Amino acid sequence: ETGVTQTPRHLVMGMTNKKSLKCEQHLGHNAMYWYKQSAKKPLELMFVYSLEERVENNSVPSRFSPECPNSSHLFLHLHTLQPEDSALYLCASSQGPALSTDTQYFGPGTRLTVL
Amino acid sequence: ILNVEQSPQSLHVQEGDSTNFTCSFPSSNFYALHWYRWETAKSPEALFVMTLNGDEKKKGRISATLNTKEGYSYLYIKGSQPEDSATYLCASSGTYKYIFGTGTRLKVLA
Repeated sequence: ETGVTQTPRHLVMGMTNKKSLKCEQHLGHNAMYWYKQSAKKPLELMFVYSLEERVENNSVPSRFSPECPNSSHLFLHLHTLQPEDSALYLCASSQGPALSTDTQYFGPGTRLTVL
Repeated sequence: ILNVEQSPQSLHVQEGDSTNFTCSFPSSNFYALHWYRWETAKSPEALFVMTLNGDEKKKGRISATLNTKEGYSYLYIKGSQPEDSATYLCASSGTYKYIFGTGTRLKVLA
């Protein structure tokens, strides 16, 4: 186990639903990340938090809304998603600072399907 | 090279064969090169991080080398076993960037 957990592991939602993905890290790290993995594409960095402050937003649509209430928890709030948003969403953490040479530790991901 | 590129995209090898694959990355604004191993339905797991030109790292039957001047890294697996079957990802990190390649999917046939 990597010490990073994600719930739920699978999620099916309609385009009008609102749902949230949760990530928790038990490693005492200072930085947390959300990635999107679509078929045959590289991992796409979506959001980065360092010490609970957002430090990076890679032009992600506003239908994705991150929240980092403390250094151990990270949420991704979803609303009015599109079918093309169906993907594997991975959470990661690192000792910090964010996006440094530090190794990132990943959760198992949430497989999201938008109908 | 503007992105991180990995080759081949996938390969099948027989148990006991040795194999290697390549990661190419932009040599500008480079801090570190990371290799991860990602088994199906599991979390990506860190294998190596390398920072200096000429770095070589080894873990069991798996080793990696780094050439920062020309922007490439090789991952080698000696005597492949079925449990080595996974996707191997590399990532290049620099100032506020952490860019992954699409991975090499390895299948070791028993």
